[in-house]
Amino acid sequence: NAGVTQTPKFRILKIGQSMTLQCTQDMNHNYMYWYRQDPGMGLKLIYYSVGAGITDKGEVPNGYNVSRSTTEDFPLRLELAAPSQTSVYFCASSVAMGLFSYEQYFGPGTRLTVT
Amino acid sequence: DAKTTQPNSMESNEEEPVHLPCNHSTISGTDYIHWYRQLPSQGPEYVIHGLTSNVNNRMASLAIAEDRKSSTLILHRATLRDAAVYYCILGRTSYDKVIFGPGTSLSVIP
Repeated sequence: NAGVTQTPKFRILKIGQSMTLQCTQDMNHNYMYWYRQDPGMGLKLIYYSVGAGITDKGEVPNGYNVSRSTTEDFPLRLELAAPSQTSVYFCASSVAMGLFSYEQYFGPGTRLTVT
Repeated sequence: DAKTTQPNSMESNEEEPVHLPCNHSTISGTDYIHWYRQLPSQGPEYVIHGLTSNVNNRMASLAIAEDRKSSTLILHRATLRDAAVYYCILGRTSYDKVIFGPGTSLSVIP
């Protein structure tokens, strides 16, 4: 199993540009998550999904959108990038056995800089 | 929201045990206690979790206080590879309340 994969690893955006961060998992997990991590800080939940077609907001959803058309993929869309979105983005997945009661598997992250 | 409190940083000598504390005085009865760690430039990885009883796995042990208001992650013999940020977090019933604090940065001295 590859686990959770994320692309790209690095990206530089200009203010106002848009992009999609890709996330794929091959563990057949129903739950998937997007977090952001600012320098020296913990992770903050942006969006999560409990299954294909179902998504919900986390702690910091503004400026982002998600979709979940398949179990495997959970892309994160940034519209009109702003410098405040400069961060490292992590995707994660877990089995659907109660919220946060089981292990989450994280991807390697995408480092995004908006200038 | 139930939050956790951890020391900002700790140091340990290589091959010695490490006890990483976490306070969670407002924990509710159904909150699981989870520990993750994050090695430099990597995503977090699961270490261990528990509800009431002490737990052991191949990576570490988790000691939970009887009143569940605190817990301790125990690394039995620290190695250089254990140098990481360790996060103590509580499992919540709704994801918009997940709190991943700044964690404890563990340094391991050769």
